Amino acid sequence: DVKVTQSSRYLVKRTGEKVFLECVQDMDHENMFWYRQDPGLGLRLIYFSYDVKMKEKGDIPEGYSVSREKKERFSLILESASTNQTSMYLCASRQGTNYGYTFGSGTRLTVV
Amino acid sequence: AQSVSQHNHHVILSEAASLELGCNYSYGGTVNLFWYVQYPGQHLQLLLKYFSGDPLVKGIKGFEAEFIKSKFSFNLRKPSVQWSDTAEYFCAVRDTGFQKLVFGTGTRLLVSP
Repeated sequence: DVKVTQSSRYLVKRTGEKVFLECVQDMDHENMFWYRQDPGLGLRLIYFSYDVKMKEKGDIPEGYSVSREKKERFSLILESASTNQTSMYLCASRQGTNYGYTFGSGTRLTVV
Repeated sequence: AQSVSQHNHHVILSEAASLELGCNYSYGGTVNLFWYVQYPGQHLQLLLKYFSGDPLVKGIKGFEAEFIKSKFSFNLRKPSVQWSDTAEYFCAVRDTGFQKLVFGTGTRLLVSP
């Protein structure tokens, strides 16, 4: 069965810390995505990646960066965490344009 | 920019009632359409998708959706809900010219036994 694994289920970080959220997929998918999920706002795209070392900004990239050095791994980086980045972060991957997304279980990040 | 509207934020139904969740999108070109479900404490799962062909799409667990191009709609239906359908449901649209998927704000469904 296909899998998208997010390294942490829950994280608590302090304001100003640099935070790394890791996502690994075992399906050899080229496309990977980072969303944040907030009540009443649905899922909003932060960044996505077509392929290794390729990245594109989504709808809310401010305060975030990403890294994709290997095909299976897509990292989301919060350069200096702030309380308004407290959220559920979802990683997803996709085999190609004619397929749906496979989501990870999410990382619930709290910034205090 | 594309947008997706889900009209109902919260829906409460009794078991065996029929379900219809609305979804409208703003883009006028060729689109791919999806419904995802998130059960309590679980990750998002694909319920069904539409790319082309028959506008009535059947998905898992007895769900179906109908694409009505003239109305820019892709409503989700189930003739008889069960308690286990309690979940949050998300409609999503992808403009075929772009890679990204745009999600609606979600509808929380509570089915009472």
